[in-house]
Amino acid sequence: EPEVTQTPSHQVTQMGQEVILRCVPISNHLYFYWYRQILGQKVEFLVSFYNNEISEKSEIFDDQFSVERPDGSNFTLKIRSTKLEDSAMYFCASTGTLSAEQFFGPGTRLTVL
Amino acid sequence: AQKVTQAQTEISVVEKEDVTLDCVYETRDTTYYLFWYKQPPSGELVFLIRRNSFDEQNEISGRYSWNFQKSTSSFNFTITASQVVDSAVYFCALSSYSGYSTLTFGKGTMLLVSP
Repeated sequence: EPEVTQTPSHQVTQMGQEVILRCVPISNHLYFYWYRQILGQKVEFLVSFYNNEISEKSEIFDDQFSVERPDGSNFTLKIRSTKLEDSAMYFCASTGTLSAEQFFGPGTRLTVL
Repeated sequence: AQKVTQAQTEISVVEKEDVTLDCVYETRDTTYYLFWYKQPPSGELVFLIRRNSFDEQNEISGRYSWNFQKSTSSFNFTITASQVVDSAVYFCALSSYSGYSTLTFGKGTMLLVSP
């Protein structure tokens, strides 16, 4: 069964460093998302991406964040200068059609020291 | 603005007990979708069900059942004869029919099933 994959599973970085989180959505899906979950809290929407551009973003997704689909398979989230409060689990999701269920990857745990 | 409330932070049951997880939502949309996701201790998010707002028929899938009541804005989830493997955090989520299907999650209910 096709699945969303994410790498790395765990990333440790120093405050102020740039990180890139990578995702490979399900191959025939068209809509891609990033969510984050601070430890023990709810899952929060960051950004959605369709047709090679951002379609929606939340207030969390400020200028420090960017997304890119550099090729036909990868979907990346970049945090330019990490802060302590960026420590969280970051989930990538994809769906084939709007209103269908989103399939989530296993997540990348980001720890900012 | 959309909002999902899961008032039960944590529920503990003994195996074979039935348990209901509550979900109440708020939305101005007339058409929307409701979801339940399971997050086991391993951390991934597993899709369980999607329900659209114009279909109030309840659904049963094995030991799982869902009760959608539009009049009370609730979408409750019942596990019958719970098992230890059901131990997880369960999230209720809501998305609008319009837009890009962004999910708004509740805070989750941690279910602990002991043998």
